[in-house]
Order: sequence, then C-alpha cells, then structure tokens
Amino acid sequence: QKEVEQDPGPLSVPEGAIVSLNCTYSNSAFQYFMWYRQYSRKGPELLMYTYSSGNKEDGRFTAQVDKSSKYISLFIRDSQPSDSATYLCAMSKTSYDKVIFGPGTSLSVIP
Amino acid sequence: EAQVTQNPRYLITVTGKKLTVTCSQNMNHEYMSWYRQDPGLGLRQIYYSMNVEVTDKGDVPEGYKVSRKEKRNFPLILESPSPNQTSLYFCASSTPGQGAGEQYFGPGTRLTVT
Repeated sequence: QKEVEQDPGPLSVPEGAIVSLNCTYSNSAFQYFMWYRQYSRKGPELLMYTYSSGNKEDGRFTAQVDKSSKYISLFIRDSQPSDSATYLCAMSKTSYDKVIFGPGTSLSVIP
Repeated sequence: EAQVTQNPRYLITVTGKKLTVTCSQNMNHEYMSWYRQDPGLGLRQIYYSMNVEVTDKGDVPEGYKVSRKEKRNFPLILESPSPNQTSLYFCASSTPGQGAGEQYFGPGTRLTVT
C-alpha cells in the first residue's frame, strides 16, 4: 500500500462547477498537508498549506483535513478553464522532514 | 525577482558519465530539496537539506549525492548515471520557518541517460 493515494483521473468538469479532489494516506504521523498545482511543463506551485486537522479557505479554494479518517480534500469553487492542471497532495510528519507526494489528479475545466 | 533556478534545463548524457545539476535560490531559504518526477509515480523526494551542512535522505536517494556548503546552493550529483535515472528533476526551497510546508519549485531539469 502506498503511503499517499490519489485518484489520477483525468477529471473533466464544466466551467463553474465545484471540484472535489481527494487524497488518502496511511501514516497517522503526518501533520502537515499541502496541495500543489502543476501546469504542463512547469514546476509545482503551492496552493494550500494546513497543519493538523480542520479547514482552510483561500479565495475559491478550500482545503480540508480529517486526520481521524486519514483523508484530505481540496475544493475548487466556480472552476475556471485556467484551473486545468494536475493537482498534487503532499504531506510530512514535521516541518523539517521528508515530504511524500501523491501521484496527482489531472483536472480539465471545459469552457 | 525571488526564484529557484536550475541548470541545465535539458541534459542528454551517457551511462557512467558523472554530472551535476545545480540549484540556487535567492530567498534566504533554509530548507531545500530535490525531487524526481516520473509518469505514474508522481514526485518523489531524493534528498533534502534543513540548512547548511545538514542533509538527509528522501524516499529515493540511491544513485544520487548532494551537498549544502552554502545556504543558497544545493547541487545534485549523479556520479555514475544509469538509464533508470532518466527523469524530470525539480529543486525546491522553502520559506524560513516553514520547512517542508511551503516549497517553491524551480522550472525543472529534464535528464536523459542513454
């Protein structure tokens, strides 16, 4: 079993839809949870960064962490064609530790 | 401009010929890291460094070396490259105090080993 699992997609949604992206993990020691967006031929860029459980909102993006279920989510409201990218979840045990990434979910937002 | 730079961006080499990929950041970041990205396997961490002279293995360190002699630079060394090291490599650095949490990635180095 991989430490971090993520549905690779591809996921295709119409413009304006609410998108839900999810990751599950097996190591209960993870405390730092991140979501990155990666456009084709580019390096990943940080979208959201949360510590422990709870929700965090930034504009159209909301990150949720449920440590009891070992499950994290990223919601994108009012999705735009510019949101078309691969979304990577990542996590680590401490702030100065190795980081484990999920394999990424490919998202297409159709105009 | 705040950035992480990598050189070269593209490299084709032969098995066994030592190479170095450089990484530099101008943001005074403490945490730096190297990743490789392969289709179906995602991003996997090779090595990371918490500060000057402090490095540790990530998930896939075999066949790679790193050094951190200066805060801004974190080169990746392949002493005897093999075809299974053909990959897209990313360097990243992190906001002071944020450690692994908020990483800024470089543009990537596409390496082909024949």
